[in-house]
Amino acid sequence: GAGVSQSPSNKVTEKGKDVELRCDPISGHTALYWYRQSLGQGLEFLIYFQGNSAPDKSGLPSDRFSAERTGGSVSTLTIQRTQQEDSAVYLCASSVQTNSPLHFGNGTRLTVT
Amino acid sequence: DAKTTQPTSMDCAEGRAANLPCNHSTISGNEYVYWYRQIHSQGPQYIIHGLKNNETNEMASLIITEDRKSSTLILPHATLRDTAVYYCIVKGWGKLQFGAGTQVVVTP
Repeated sequence: GAGVSQSPSNKVTEKGKDVELRCDPISGHTALYWYRQSLGQGLEFLIYFQGNSAPDKSGLPSDRFSAERTGGSVSTLTIQRTQQEDSAVYLCASSVQTNSPLHFGNGTRLTVT
Repeated sequence: DAKTTQPTSMDCAEGRAANLPCNHSTISGNEYVYWYRQIHSQGPQYIIHGLKNNETNEMASLIITEDRKSSTLILPHATLRDTAVYYCIVKGWGKLQFGAGTQVVVTP
């Protein structure tokens, strides 16, 4: 079946512009995560949605970052007024429920010039 | 969630078993041990997970000590395609957080 889909796969933007990254999780998965990975670094947790519960936003690095999940399915990560340090691969993952294995998408590579 | 300790790196010869250790001495009763790996330039891939019993699937085996304070991931016959960063994660009801992992290099 279809896996986690992320779009775009690559995004180049100018410093100061806003960007939106999209994640289509596997159908029926109630949990959805966003991570980012800077070049040569580990995975940094950003935000976690579980069903209808309030999201865990504890990993968002600043108030320029926000995410929403509409209808319990598609999620959008928005970065406002992008900075060069926002350049990274942004990874989305979903799971059937909170204690199930995560399935990752291939990520969006964001480059801020 | 409990923290984990893994070696920074390890080498393994192709065709041999790779045994990857992980310490999680502060694990609590409802926390699972998960293993993921990340091959260069790809998203992480789930390998296996367990609570207290040993587990085996088509990719690997997971051996958890009786006190649950440590575990070992076993890749029975390592191939060059198993070269990756391997993450051991302990997780309860909540977010999944990745540490630095172990860089495994399989050599011919």
